[in-house]
Amino acid sequence: GENVEQHPSTLSVQEGDSAVIKCTYSDSASNYFPWYKQELGKGPQLIIDIRSNVGEKKDQRIAVTLNKTAKHFSLHITETQPEDSAVYFCAAADSNYQLIWGAGTKLIIKP
Amino acid sequence: DAGVIQSPRHEVTEMGQEVTLRCKPISGHNSLFWYRQTMMRGLELLIYFNNNVPIDDSGMPEDRFSAKMPNASFSTLKIQPSEPRDSAVYFCASSRQGSALNTEAFFGQGTRLTVV
Repeated sequence: GENVEQHPSTLSVQEGDSAVIKCTYSDSASNYFPWYKQELGKGPQLIIDIRSNVGEKKDQRIAVTLNKTAKHFSLHITETQPEDSAVYFCAAADSNYQLIWGAGTKLIIKP
Repeated sequence: DAGVIQSPRHEVTEMGQEVTLRCKPISGHNSLFWYRQTMMRGLELLIYFNNNVPIDDSGMPEDRFSAKMPNASFSTLKIQPSEPRDSAVYFCASSRQGSALNTEAFFGQGTRLTVV
C-alpha cells in the first residue's frame, strides 16, 4: 500500500523568510496530493492540493510542486507571517482512493 | 453551514467505561470519516462511510471500537470498554464525493478523550 514520508518534523524560520516542507510517496498510482494546515485546538483544514496531471500550483503565498518521476511533492510558503505557525500535513490518495497522511511538520515562525 | 459538528469537545472517563463520540457532518456531504490523532501515531483513519454505509473499517483498532451512521446527518463512534491507551483526539470529517476519495475533507474541531 501507499506510504507517505514527510520532512522535516519541525521547521523554524524567521518571519518574512520562505518555508519548504517535503513529502515522498511510494505508490506510483497515487493521483491526488492535498496539504492541510492544523492550528492549535482545531481540525486540519485544506490549504492547497494538486493532481497528478499538474506539476505546480500556486495560491498567493503558497505553492505546491509535484515530481511524479521522483514521487515527491513539496509545499512552499513565501514571505512567512506569524499566522503561518501551525502543523502542516501532506497526504496522498492511493490506488484504493484512500488518503494516506504524512506525520506532520510543526512550522514555527520567529518574529 | 456550521461545518462538521462534534460533541463533546472534551471527555474524561474512567477505564472500563463506555464512551460515545458524536458527529454531525455537513449537509449534502455523502462521505464521513473518523480519525484518531496522537503524538506517537499521528493522524490515523479509523473508518469511513459512503452514503451511510461503512466502506472500510480496517483502521478500527479492535473490537472495543464500533461506529454507526444511522442516517446522513449523524454518526457515532463508541468505545466499550475504554482503556487509557485510547486517550487521543478523535476527529470526524465529511466530504462530497463521487467514486474517488480525492476531494476536500472538512474536519470538525475534534473530541479530546482522556481515559484515566
